[in-house]
Amino acid sequence: AQSVTQLDSQVPVFEEAPVELRCNYSSSVSVYLFWYVQYPNQGLQLLLKYLSGSTLVKGINGFEAEFNKSQTSFHLRKPSVHISDTAEYFCAVKPISGGGADGLTFGKGTHLIIQP
Amino acid sequence: GAGVSQSPSNKVTEKGKDVELRCDPISGHTALYWYRQRLGQGLEFLIYFQGNSAPDKSGLPSDRFSAERTGESVSTLTIQRTQQEDSAVYLCASSLASRAGDTQYFGPGTRLTVL
Repeated sequence: AQSVTQLDSQVPVFEEAPVELRCNYSSSVSVYLFWYVQYPNQGLQLLLKYLSGSTLVKGINGFEAEFNKSQTSFHLRKPSVHISDTAEYFCAVKPISGGGADGLTFGKGTHLIIQP
Repeated sequence: GAGVSQSPSNKVTEKGKDVELRCDPISGHTALYWYRQRLGQGLEFLIYFQGNSAPDKSGLPSDRFSAERTGESVSTLTIQRTQQEDSAVYLCASSLASRAGDTQYFGPGTRLTVL
């Protein structure tokens, strides 16, 4: 079984400041890692994912995340946030083996609040 | 192109009634997933379809929940004899194939309120 912990339920940040949203996971098997974003009144949208290769992954809207296997972390970062980044951010994992049968295991989400 | 659509967007029902939630995946996507998001919780995986086959139904919360899919098209999630704890947003997602790294595209969800 897998579990995902998002350490902060809410993160307030001033506009144009950097931000880091933390994600740690636990799994007995190797996993792929994902970050999804949910803007107000919209569905979930993939920000980025780590499958293999370079541990630094770049996604949409200037976000990036770094996979750290030893610390079982996949923290999301952005060097300069905008008001439009206000949203709920979800970290998720999926076992590499097993195909689709396992589904994604999500964290509880982090609400990013951008203050002007 | 069109994304994943779900209907209804909102459903209010009385305890004990049956409800049916519908999901239209992206055309050509063979894999389809149902999730539930209860207030203050992360998304909870319910069931997965590859084509019209669901290999594992153990993620469904109780025997009041059932799901089916017609070919590689529409899926319905049915909840019988609804209870207040069934209140949640039910999300559907589809992916091109069922490889573990395939991106899942989510619909806007159905918000179910059981009074």
